[in-house]
Amino acid sequence: GAVVSQHPSWVICKSGTSVKIECRSLDFQATTMFWYRQFPKQSLMLMATSNEGSKATYEQGVEKDKFLINHASLTLSTLTVTSAHPEDSSFYICSAPTSGSARETQYFGPGTRLLVL
Amino acid sequence: SQQGEEDPQALSIQEGENATMNCSYKTSINNLQWYRQNSGRGLVHLILIRSNEREKHSGRLRVTLDTSKKSSSLLITASRAADTASYFCATAQGGSEKLVFGKGTKLTVNP
Repeated sequence: GAVVSQHPSWVICKSGTSVKIECRSLDFQATTMFWYRQFPKQSLMLMATSNEGSKATYEQGVEKDKFLINHASLTLSTLTVTSAHPEDSSFYICSAPTSGSARETQYFGPGTRLLVL
Repeated sequence: SQQGEEDPQALSIQEGENATMNCSYKTSINNLQWYRQNSGRGLVHLILIRSNEREKHSGRLRVTLDTSKKSSSLLITASRAADTASYFCATAQGGSEKLVFGKGTKLTVNP
């Protein structure tokens, strides 16, 4: 089946630095990808919709200057957490809709755990 | 914003028993999906039920949907220790591909 990968799987960084997380669709093209954030023992919160060739669409309350999204190709979307702070520590997960006319379900990446010290 | 509310929040059962998780949602939907998440991992799609369907089966999974009550249930029969995971319902509205997830049920199946 289709696979979505994320890199890195975990990252530790100092406060004030920027961190880039990659999301790749490995055997299918994804014009749209979604970025979620998950706090421990909580559900997924949609942060933004990444659109290939155009600007990302951010959910209410998500700072677009803080979480930069670039969908550079049909198989790659990146999320950059700029000037990271400890409160940005979280589990970040990307997903891409399944291919075909339905596009109802999504393939999820394995997630990236970010710890900001 | 979160659409679904699952209950229970946590469920602990013995291997071989059935596990039932419930999900309620607030707005009209096109479909409702159930996903599974192993600890610290991404989500895996389990089953999708459309708004015009009432029940669906897939292996040991049985999903029901009651649009009048805006609720769904996921039944896992003959549970196994490997079923230990968090289970989330998710809904899609209108023509959007965006999914809104519930809070999830953490299932523990004891061997």
